[in-house]
Amino acid sequence: EIVMTQSPATLSVSPGERATLSCRASQSVRSNLAWYQQKPGQAPRLLVYDASTRATGIPARFSGSGSGTEFTLTISSLQSEDFAVYYCQQYDNWPLFTFGPGTKMDIK
Amino acid sequence: QITLKESGPTLVKPTQTLTLTCSFSGFSLSTGGVGVGWIRQPPGKALEWLALIYWDDDKRYNPSLKSRLTVTKDTSKNQVVLTMTNMDPVDTATYYCAHRSTSSGNFLLVFFDYWGQGTLVTVSS
Repeated sequence: EIVMTQSPATLSVSPGERATLSCRASQSVRSNLAWYQQKPGQAPRLLVYDASTRATGIPARFSGSGSGTEFTLTISSLQSEDFAVYYCQQYDNWPLFTFGPGTKMDIK
Repeated sequence: QITLKESGPTLVKPTQTLTLTCSFSGFSLSTGGVGVGWIRQPPGKALEWLALIYWDDDKRYNPSLKSRLTVTKDTSKNQVVLTMTNMDPVDTATYYCAHRSTSSGNFLLVFFDYWGQGTLVTVSS
């Protein structure tokens, strides 16, 4: 099983600032990685897939990068609606798709 | 427009079998490449993938839960059903069904672009 880890567990950021979230895989997942955003009481929302491709309707301030075992989600200028929990998910190891533990982003 | 919605009991007793139904619209599970997955999330915890069913009735399960899970589809009703046997309090979670994204032509690449609202299932006597 590929284990996903995310850091930091909590990230405190001020609106308008840049946020960088990290995701690491225990072995290479190539570029087969997705990022999701989840707000309280809501289902996850797909942000990025294939490590760097934004999903339909996702603002350009969200960008993903990385390959292999190290990945980053960057939010260039935080808006109030961006404060949420972010999960990464690998889909290289079919058919066991694993999620990371999440990074909670809150208002500083 | 793709939508999915989960339905089923909100409370089950330990050792009972849970049956959840995912009703969807906006796509067909008879179309090549399409898949519907189940994912759960215990309160305050992370997401865990449970099962996936493809258009061709291929079914895949999380190995750690495989012995307890069954997923089936009814294409004519646009529904997918998940059953989980021998429920335990640790299975208390919000259960989601989700549409496998077809952004990639490779059906082995599974991530989810549309999700249901989720249904909270509590396991307690």
